Amino acid sequence: GQSLEQPSEVTAVEGAIVQINCTYQTSGFYGLSWYQQHDGGAPTFLSYNGLDGLEETGRFSSFLSRSDSYGYLLLQELQMKDSASYFCAVDSGYSTLTFGKGTMLLVSP
Amino acid sequence: NAGVTQTPKFQVLKTGQSMTLQCAQDMNHNSMYWYRQDPGMGLRLIYYSASEGTTDKGEVPNGYNVSRLNKREFSLRLESAAPSQTSVYFCASSAGDGANVLTFGAGSRLTVL
Repeated sequence: GQSLEQPSEVTAVEGAIVQINCTYQTSGFYGLSWYQQHDGGAPTFLSYNGLDGLEETGRFSSFLSRSDSYGYLLLQELQMKDSASYFCAVDSGYSTLTFGKGTMLLVSP
Repeated sequence: NAGVTQTPKFQVLKTGQSMTLQCAQDMNHNSMYWYRQDPGMGLRLIYYSASEGTTDKGEVPNGYNVSRLNKREFSLRLESAAPSQTSVYFCASSAGDGANVLTFGAGSRLTVL
């Protein structure tokens, strides 16, 4: 089976930095992705890590440690519009993604 | 480009009724997916089609059927709807290679009474 664990909710203030962790147990592993979903909207792709290390895309960065079965999404200079749910997802090589249950990020002024 | 288009956006059914959710993508993607999303449960894969002509079960296939009509279209059918199938359904597609980035449709909110 496959399982992913991430916190259900994280709160932060505008301008702060927040880290959303994801640990996984899967039968195969090709990479870890992150998706953002605003309330009532569709999930949209944020980042992908196929190898260990840090990937940076603007204010967002994602990290992967394959040996620890662990990754995180780092959001810097938080803005109100970053309030959303964030999902980690594992590609275990069967043409599909398995998603975590999501972390709701609440950004306050 | 429209991306992934799914219809209808909203539907209310009575228990035992049938319906089909339609999905089409215009990105020439090989792979297509149907997920359902329930509060606190994340996105769970119902069925997927890795390429035209193939379909496979995902995590929660019971009560559903799918058809990959052609490369563009992938439909999801509920033969006899049950209240447990009340959910938001998302269709997605991907090129099926590399980072396997999924592009999602806007979602279909289904209520079964």
